[in-house]
Amino acid sequence: GAGVSQSPSNKVTEKGKDVELRCDPISGHTALYWYRQSLGQGLEFLIYFQGNSAPDKSGLPSDRFSAERTGGSVSTLTIQRTQQEDSAVYLCASSLVLAGGQETQYFGPGTRLLVL
Amino acid sequence: GNSVTQMEGPVTLSEEAFLTINCTYTATGYPSLFWYVQYPGEGLQLLLKATKADDKGSNKGFEATYRKETTSFHLEKGSVQVSDSAVYFCALCSNFGNEKLTFGTGTRLTIIP
Repeated sequence: GAGVSQSPSNKVTEKGKDVELRCDPISGHTALYWYRQSLGQGLEFLIYFQGNSAPDKSGLPSDRFSAERTGGSVSTLTIQRTQQEDSAVYLCASSLVLAGGQETQYFGPGTRLLVL
Repeated sequence: GNSVTQMEGPVTLSEEAFLTINCTYTATGYPSLFWYVQYPGEGLQLLLKATKADDKGSNKGFEATYRKETTSFHLEKGSVQVSDSAVYFCALCSNFGNEKLTFGTGTRLTIIP
């Protein structure tokens, strides 16, 4: 079946512009995660959605970052007033959540963001 | 908080050499442990996992044993191939509600023929 998909695969923007990154999780996966992979910080957690629960936003680096998940499926990560330090690969992952806890997270190919 | 410390790279080995990539962790409770791999130009893929102490995860000739007494999850392979060249990430999740992954910094492995 189809894996996690993300779009766009690459995005170049100017400092100060807003960007939207999209993630389509694996069908039926109720948990969705956003991570960021950058040279200076490695792989870091940003935000987590699980079903209808309030999202865990504890990893968002500033209030310029926000995310939503519509209809329990597709998610959009928005970065407002982009800065050069936002340049990174943004990864989305999804998983099942079953009784007994953690199931494997499956990652998308990522969106490579470059802020000029 | 949770943290993962893994062997700094890059690591360069000859084909058929023995591989060890060290990984230690700090976590509350009983985390699940993972090794993810990122091949050149590809996304992160789960390589193997272990969910409780003394479990051994294995896949594609790689193995790692969950050692609670030493808080370690070292990755090993007896005979590496050129196709194993990739970046390897050790990770944990704490199984307390939010199952976010905490990653190590990654180890770049290059296998030369």
